[in-house]
Amino acid sequence: SQQGEEDPQALSIQEGENATMNCSYKTSINNLQWYRQNSGRGLVHLILIRSNEREKHSGRLRVTLDTSKKSSSLLITASRAADTASYFCALDPGGYQKVTFGIGTKLQVIP
Amino acid sequence: DADVTQTPRNRITKTGKRIMLECSQTKGHDRMYWYRQDPGLGLRLIYYSFDVKDINKGEISDGYSVSRQAQAKFSLSLESAIPNQTALYFCATSDKPTGAGGYTFGSGTRLTVV
Repeated sequence: SQQGEEDPQALSIQEGENATMNCSYKTSINNLQWYRQNSGRGLVHLILIRSNEREKHSGRLRVTLDTSKKSSSLLITASRAADTASYFCALDPGGYQKVTFGIGTKLQVIP
Repeated sequence: DADVTQTPRNRITKTGKRIMLECSQTKGHDRMYWYRQDPGLGLRLIYYSFDVKDINKGEISDGYSVSRQAQAKFSLSLESAIPNQTALYFCATSDKPTGAGGYTFGSGTRLTVV
């Protein structure tokens, strides 16, 4: 099973700036999900985008999916210190296949 | 109460001991999973269950076993703990098939094997 590759592995920005992180993958997917993990805590589901969707929004989050390039991006606008966390993409091939998680992007938002 | 509850939250155990990590959920989801997280390696799937009578090995099942006692309960056992099983363990649940809510994770169990 494939694993998404997040880029960059770490990102440090000032509060109020936008944060963009990317996820690339190799084989076809049914959907792609983004999760947030605060230090040592459980992952929290942020947003799911299906393979026939190109863009989704949720509050300050914007996710895009380009199936021709096999990549997705997560944009957090007007970042806050509370957005400091690790962000993971998860690939869902669909059916009875398992979702796989990437290694994550560690985001630090400096107040 | 949390949707997915893991116990214990922290555990230190000695090499060779048997230990059980427990997970219960109130989501009503059929699918349950056990993952371990190690720095730099992301989440790796240990075992998963798509319903009460279904148990499947994940990518790193050696040294682990599971029991799905009910739709809401899924426990993970380390038969004879070893130091390289020191990690953060997560239980997760999902809809059949994965709905818009994705996976729901517990808060994790930090296990240290000395």
